[in-house]
Amino acid sequence: EAQVTQNPRYLITVTGKKLTVTCSQNMNHEYMSWYRQDPGLGLRQIYYSMNVEVTDKGDVPEGYKVSRKEKRNFPLILESPSPNQTSLYFCASSLIRGGGETQYFGPGTRLLVL
Amino acid sequence: AQSVTQLGSHVSVSEGALVLLRCNYSSSVPPYLFWYVQYPNQGLQLLLKYTTGATLVKGINGFEAEFKKSETSFHLTKPSAHMSDAAEYFCAVSVAGANNLFFGTGTRLTVIP
Repeated sequence: EAQVTQNPRYLITVTGKKLTVTCSQNMNHEYMSWYRQDPGLGLRQIYYSMNVEVTDKGDVPEGYKVSRKEKRNFPLILESPSPNQTSLYFCASSLIRGGGETQYFGPGTRLLVL
Repeated sequence: AQSVTQLGSHVSVSEGALVLLRCNYSSSVPPYLFWYVQYPNQGLQLLLKYTTGATLVKGINGFEAEFKKSETSFHLTKPSAHMSDAAEYFCAVSVAGANNLFFGTGTRLTVIP
């Protein structure tokens, strides 16, 4: 089954404790991205990657890091989480970068930073 | 830059009634327009999209949307609401060469039995 998977689905952590949210897709997609969803703000892009070893900032990159060492994986790293990073996070992928391409979303990771 | 405005953060309809969710976009170049649906505790799923060609786009689950350039709108409709349509709906816009989608703030649809 074609899908985007994320782990963990739920995470509670404390301020300053480094964490990683994994994202994997099995569709051989070149393009992957991370979004955060906050009430009243919709989804905002954090980082994106057009292919292996090619990443760039989205609209809200502060406090986040990413890497793309393999085509299928695109982990999101919070080196020193803060309470304002409490949010619902989605990974997405598409075949290529392009305005008309359909993005496929993972199930989401709900993060609470105390 | 592109942007999307969704009018009404909450919409309630009776089962069997018409569903109309409003979306207006802003873009200086021809847009690509999307509607995504998010069921509780799930990721976003594409309902339909407009890229080029026919301005009336049909999607899954009986939904459709019409691209109206003169009104900069892409409203989502369904003739008869079903209980299973209760979800949050997001309109999004992109353009050729863009690196991301710009999402609206979402509309939560409630279906009353």
